[in-house]
Amino acid sequence: DVKVTQSSRYLVKRTGEKVFLECVQDMDHENMFWYRQDPGLGLRLIYFSYDVKMKEKGDIPEGYSVSREKKERFSLILESASTNQTSMYLCASSLLGAEQFFGPGTRLTVL
Amino acid sequence: QKEVEQDPGPLSVPEGAIVSLNCTYSNSAFQYFMWYRQYSRKGPELLMYTYSSGNKEDGRFTAQVDKSSKYISLFIRDSQPSDSATYLCAMGKIQGAQKLVFGQGTRLTINP
Repeated sequence: DVKVTQSSRYLVKRTGEKVFLECVQDMDHENMFWYRQDPGLGLRLIYFSYDVKMKEKGDIPEGYSVSREKKERFSLILESASTNQTSMYLCASSLLGAEQFFGPGTRLTVL
Repeated sequence: QKEVEQDPGPLSVPEGAIVSLNCTYSNSAFQYFMWYRQYSRKGPELLMYTYSSGNKEDGRFTAQVDKSSKYISLFIRDSQPSDSATYLCAMGKIQGAQKLVFGQGTRLTINP
């Protein structure tokens, strides 16, 4: 079974802090994704990576950056957290596109 | 206009009812279609996946795709309380196949 794990289930940070969200997958998938999920807005793609050190912006990249130094690990970085970044963050991975496997999510609250 | 539209609900039905969940889309480049189920406080998990127009059945679940109308549906027969979840449709293109576009999700409750 594919397993996608995220470093934290719940996180509380203060405005202005630098926040790291980590995601690890164990199935040697090329593609990895970061989404945020908000009520009424569904899943919105922040960034995705199709190979080590390769990344592409999604629909809402502002205020975020990513890092993929190893194939199994994809990190989302909030350079200076703001209250409007309070959300559920979901990581996913896929082999050749199509079916994406999701992690359990990190609920981030920025105070 | 959003590329994918899904009625967010919420939808509440009695146990045993037939449930119909729907999405419409505007981009004819979408070639494959999925339904994900998301339980509360969990990540989405793939429920159904289809490429072609027509019906695909898996147990109590049937996915229907009508490419000419740009409309997809998920039917749940003999609904159970354990089916209570948020259901998300998702679509992808052959080119740029890595990315999926998701609907807003429909929250479904099955009442015993």
